[in-house]
Amino acid sequence: DAKTTQPNSMESNEEEPVHLPCNHSTISGTDYIHWYRQLPSQGPEYVIHGLTSNVNNRMASLAIAEDRKSSTLILHRATLRDAAVYYCILRSFTGANSKLTFGKGITLSVRP
Amino acid sequence: DSGVTQTPKHLITATGQRVTLRCSPRSGDLSVYWYQQSLDQGLQFLIQYYNGEERAKGNILERFSAQQFPDLHSELNLSSLELGDSALYFCASSTREWGSYEQYFGPGTRLTVT
Repeated sequence: DAKTTQPNSMESNEEEPVHLPCNHSTISGTDYIHWYRQLPSQGPEYVIHGLTSNVNNRMASLAIAEDRKSSTLILHRATLRDAAVYYCILRSFTGANSKLTFGKGITLSVRP
Repeated sequence: DSGVTQTPKHLITATGQRVTLRCSPRSGDLSVYWYQQSLDQGLQFLIQYYNGEERAKGNILERFSAQQFPDLHSELNLSSLELGDSALYFCASSTREWGSYEQYFGPGTRLTVT
């Protein structure tokens, strides 16, 4: 599986935007970029995914670099409930490969 | 609430014992995945079933086995337990065999081996 690199941690203030970076320089053409998050004492939760174009949903936005070697998860207005570990994961759809390979993720702290 | 249920929530047992963890996927989901989360190894994929058949294997020990039943619920059996098996075990489900964008995770079973 292609690897992703994320900072260990990040802090933000409540109600401010948060940009969580992810580097994936060895990404292949069939790799989708997925983001999951894990709130304290809960199972991981799907956030967003994309291939080449920027994506928006009710939870977040995903900005993908033109060369696809990096991406940024954007939380438009952080809330205390957004404090979690955020995982950036590459997932190929060539063949039967559905597993999620989690790295260490980035721990987001939100200050009131 | 993801719609995935796992029982029990907590399990405490002794070394050498055997336990069974149970997972009920979201209604309509045919794929079930098992993951283990420990402090030193992080979240690791163990095994996937689709409609009753094993589809993919990850870092699953030989002492561990799983199955998916005709009603689509799944069980993860852990035997000859060791202290190092203490971890959170998550089950996830998705609609398709592969290519599904989202996996829905249950709340986990916390296993403590003493």
